[in-house]
Amino acid sequence: QKEVEQNSGPLSVPEGAIASLNCTYSDRVSQSFFWYRQYSGKSPELIMSIYSNGDKEDGRFTAQLNKASQYVSLLIRDSQPSDSATYLCAVDAQAGTALIFGKGTTLSVSS
Amino acid sequence: GAGVSQSPRYKVAKRGQDVALRCDPISGHVSLFWYQQALGQGPEFLTYFQNEAQLDKSGLPSDRFFAERPEGSVSTLKIQRTQQEDSAVYLCASSPGVDYGYTFGSGTRLTVV
Repeated sequence: QKEVEQNSGPLSVPEGAIASLNCTYSDRVSQSFFWYRQYSGKSPELIMSIYSNGDKEDGRFTAQLNKASQYVSLLIRDSQPSDSATYLCAVDAQAGTALIFGKGTTLSVSS
Repeated sequence: GAGVSQSPRYKVAKRGQDVALRCDPISGHVSLFWYQQALGQGPEFLTYFQNEAQLDKSGLPSDRFFAERPEGSVSTLKIQRTQQEDSAVYLCASSPGVDYGYTFGSGTRLTVV
């Protein structure tokens, strides 16, 4: 059973702090990794993709991938109350197959 | 279209009724996916199309679930003889290819009573 594991949270951080969200996956052949943000009652929205080991930065977001350890993380710098949402990690089981999603981590940013 | 369009937005069905959920993907997106999301859970894969070909239907929970995409554009997910456990949000997503990120529609919230 291919799995994507996330801590369900809630993860609570004060406004302006760094939020760190983590995800582990079970299939060593996974090639594509994504982070989605889902506000309550809304559908998931793609915020980051990463395919190679290392860091990828986009604005306040940084995705980190370590294939040897089978984990991917998302850092949100200068967290804002508007970042409060559930963050879903998604991984392809193998190239050419549909994404498997984790259950999501709920982030709460307090002002 | 500009985004992925799903209809209806909400559907209430009596147990045993058949339902059909529609998805209109972004124009030109060859890959189309259906997911089921229960409250407090992540999306669970149901099935995947590349153009009109259904390449993976391993996530369909029973033979009451059927999906089609006959002309490689609009897709329909049909659930026959609905049961209470079918109550969930059904999400459709499309992408330019299977290894790209997906764009999700707003979903259809199905409630079986």
